[in-house]
Amino acid sequence: QKEVEQNSGPLSVPEGAIASLNCTYSDRGSQSFFWYRQYSGKSPELIMSIYSNGDKEDGRFTAQLNKASQYVSLLIRDSQPSDSATYLCASLMEYGNKLVFGAGTILRVKS
Amino acid sequence: ETGVTQTPRHLVMGMTNKKSLKCEQHLGHNAMYWYKQSAKKPLELMFVYNFKEQTENNSVPSRFSPECPNSSHLFLHLHTLQPEDSALYLCASSQDLQYYEQYFGPGTRLTVT
Repeated sequence: QKEVEQNSGPLSVPEGAIASLNCTYSDRGSQSFFWYRQYSGKSPELIMSIYSNGDKEDGRFTAQLNKASQYVSLLIRDSQPSDSATYLCASLMEYGNKLVFGAGTILRVKS
Repeated sequence: ETGVTQTPRHLVMGMTNKKSLKCEQHLGHNAMYWYKQSAKKPLELMFVYNFKEQTENNSVPSRFSPECPNSSHLFLHLHTLQPEDSALYLCASSQDLQYYEQYFGPGTRLTVT
């Protein structure tokens, strides 16, 4: 069973739309969750962290966490072509202090 | 230099070669990590160091040998690798093991021929 699951995509949205990226995790004890953006040929860049149920907003990005459903999402408002990248979801396992990554969702924003 | 740096950025080596990857972080962090990223697969954690001590070896073959002389530097020594070891090797650091916002270096693209 995969520990962090993401739809591989690609998810295509028009410029200016809201992009919604989703992630589920299997470790019910996980408390910390992270979203990374990775451009092609580059390394992952941390864009959001979330630790509590609910929403956390930072600029055009909103992370949402629902621990009961073991679900994390990332919303990108007013999507721009520069947002086109692979988005990696990661959760911190309850035991072992290990950060586990999903395989990532490819986002394409079309102008 | 700022952030996390890695050298070399690209490396081509034969299966009988010995080479080393270097990582340096300028963030004052105490924990450092090696990850392997293969095409279409999740990032795989290889090794974790905290205050220079190895705290995790994620069942990595012995042909990969890490070294952490201090909290700012991390090496990955490579010998007798296989073609399936070709991947992007990423170094990351975090404040410590309780603070899991990790920051990645640019990576070394390794090709084993």
